[in-house]
Amino acid sequence: QKEVEQNSGPLSVPEGAIASLNCTYSDRVSQSFFWYRQYSGKSPELIMSIYSNGDKEDGRFTAQLNKASQYVSLLIRDSQPSDSATYLCAVGVYGGATNKLIFGTGTLLAVQP
Amino acid sequence: DAGVTQSPTHLIKTRGQQVTLRCSPKSGHDTVSWYQQALGQGPQFIFQYYEEEERQRGNFPDRFSGHQYPNYSSELNVNALLLGDSALYLCASSSSNRANQPQHFGDGTRLSIL
Repeated sequence: QKEVEQNSGPLSVPEGAIASLNCTYSDRVSQSFFWYRQYSGKSPELIMSIYSNGDKEDGRFTAQLNKASQYVSLLIRDSQPSDSATYLCAVGVYGGATNKLIFGTGTLLAVQP
Repeated sequence: DAGVTQSPTHLIKTRGQQVTLRCSPKSGHDTVSWYQQALGQGPQFIFQYYEEEERQRGNFPDRFSGHQYPNYSSELNVNALLLGDSALYLCASSSSNRANQPQHFGDGTRLSIL
């Protein structure tokens, strides 16, 4: 079983719709969860971080975390063509000398004008 | 406030050669992590440097080595390059004083092996 799993997509949504991206992880002791956006040929850009169960909203983005189900999601409201990118879910692994991110393979989002 | 900077942007090498990639962390950060991102994959953790020492390492062979300087900048060295080493190499910095904080990436170095 992969440590962080995402549906590779592509996820296609019409402009103005809500895009829902999902991620599951296997390590129950994980405490930090991040969503990065990556445009083609570019480096990952942090868009959301979440540390406790529930929802966290930032503009059009909402991250949701359910540690019991080991599930993280990202909702993008009023999707725009400029949101078309690969969205990477990352889990932070910390403890002692350990401080690293484990990434999923990413979900490709295509917003249709 | 400069973010994470990496050089060079692109690099083309042939099999068997050696390469050095460079990274300067964000101001105030003292820890540097390196990741490899193959096409269509998520970034994979290579290793992390703190206090000029390799603190932890991912599942990469000894051909991958690194260094951190007193000013916190870092290098990634890859020897005996293989075709499979073609990837985007990402550097991320963080602060040892702030646990659980997200890592911010540089623009990366795209390495192509012919």
